[in-house]
Amino acid sequence: EDQVTQSPEALRLQEGESSSLNCSYTVSGLRGLFWYRQDPGKGPEFLFTLYSAGEEKEKERLKATLTKKESFLHITAPKPEDSATYLCAVQAHNAGNMLTFGGGTRLMVKP
Amino acid sequence: EPEVTQTPSHQVTQMGQEVILRCVPISNHLYFYWYRQILGQKVEFLVSFYNNEISEKSEIFDDQFSVERPDGSNFTLKIRSTKLEDSAMYFCASIPTRLAGTLSYNEQFFGPGTRLTVL
Repeated sequence: EDQVTQSPEALRLQEGESSSLNCSYTVSGLRGLFWYRQDPGKGPEFLFTLYSAGEEKEKERLKATLTKKESFLHITAPKPEDSATYLCAVQAHNAGNMLTFGGGTRLMVKP
Repeated sequence: EPEVTQTPSHQVTQMGQEVILRCVPISNHLYFYWYRQILGQKVEFLVSFYNNEISEKSEIFDDQFSVERPDGSNFTLKIRSTKLEDSAMYFCASIPTRLAGTLSYNEQFFGPGTRLTVL
C-alpha cells in the first residue's frame, strides 16, 4: 500500500527564517510526486511535480527536491503570505492517476 | 485563467437524505476526479472518471456513491443515503491529458470544494 508521511505536522517561522518541509513516501513504482498548497477552506493549489530522483524545481521562495525515499520543500526567507498547509502526494505506476496524499504540514509565518 | 468550479459551496442535509454535488471541470479537460477531506484528516481519493465511465475507485466509493457527466460540462457526485461520517469537504479535480497507453503524469487541478454537513 502506498504511504506518504509529512513532517513536521506544524511549523512556526519568523518572517525571513528559512526552513524545509519533509515528505517521506513508500510507493510501488513512483510515477510522480506532487506538492500542493492549501489555504483554509479552499482546494489544493498545484505547486510542483517531480518525476525522478535528483530532480529539483523552483518557484519564487519555494524549491522542491526529490530522492528515492523522500522529497523536501525548501522555503527561503518566507513571508506571512506563505502561511498555508503544504500537501505532498504521490502517483504510482500501478494506481492509475489517483493521488495518495500525506497529512500536510501547516506552516505559519509570523511578521 | 480557467478553473474548476463547484456548487454548492456548503450543503447541509439530514442523515439518510440524498445529495448531489456538482462540478464544472476546466473545459478541455478529459479526466475527472472526486476526493474528500474529513476535517483534520488527509485528502482521500474517491473515484476517477474518463470517457463517460469510472476508471478507478477507492474502497470508500461504495454503492451509496455514484458519478455521472450528464451534459458534457457538469460532473456530479451523488450520495444516495447520507451518513454522519460522510461529513467532509468534497473536491473535484481534472486533468487535460488524453490517456494513451501509459497514464498521464499531468497535475490535477482542484476546485474550491463543497463542504457537506450531515446532521
